[in-house]
Amino acid sequence: DQQVKQNSPSLSVQEGRISILNCDYTNSMFDYFLWYKKYPAEGPTFLISISSIKDKNEDGRFTVFLNKSAKHLSLHIVPSQPGDSAVYFCAATHTNAGKSTFGDGTTLTVKP
Amino acid sequence: NAGVMQNPRHLVRRRGQEARLRCSPMKGHSHVYWYRQLPEEGLKFMVYLQKENIIDESGMPKERFSAEFPKEGPSILRIQQVVRGDSAAYFCASSPVVGPPGNYGYTFGSGTRLTVV
Repeated sequence: DQQVKQNSPSLSVQEGRISILNCDYTNSMFDYFLWYKKYPAEGPTFLISISSIKDKNEDGRFTVFLNKSAKHLSLHIVPSQPGDSAVYFCAATHTNAGKSTFGDGTTLTVKP
Repeated sequence: NAGVMQNPRHLVRRRGQEARLRCSPMKGHSHVYWYRQLPEEGLKFMVYLQKENIIDESGMPKERFSAEFPKEGPSILRIQQVVRGDSAAYFCASSPVVGPPGNYGYTFGSGTRLTVV
């Protein structure tokens, strides 16, 4: 029973265009959602997060949108750059739960 | 300001041997989490520890796996009698509060890649 799903294993976009990565969850108890970026042979690094009381959070080129009714969140990267090429993991957690639940990741390739 | 340090980076073990993975959290972080990434999969939670306490081990396999975070020294993930299916990347993360903190998430180490031959 996968509580966090990233249905697109891969995404390819042209440099300068928008990248949209999607994530769905099933557990209504989750109240914080995070995106991590991972390069090969490295650990994930935190990118951006959003609380369940918000529907949008923006940090530079990265924006996360949350649709609670649909249990869906998305990460928008505008404009996309070749250095953004990596695996992106969506994660969800419940306050004071300690652990996070991760999706399987989406591999983003940004072509020059 | 060293980040989360994991060692070794690569570990090769024969079937039946023991694997011992170490994790030193960031300075000031007292919460440690272990995750496993099998090939072509996402990160799966294994265990959450604070100093001298296991808080949540709901993701740990029932046999052969154990974890500790002693008062002094790094956190250790121990796998006894390794099998080929244990081959994976094992990541450790730390945070200063029970978390991850919503505004900056976990800090992950670079992982230990275990290969069982």
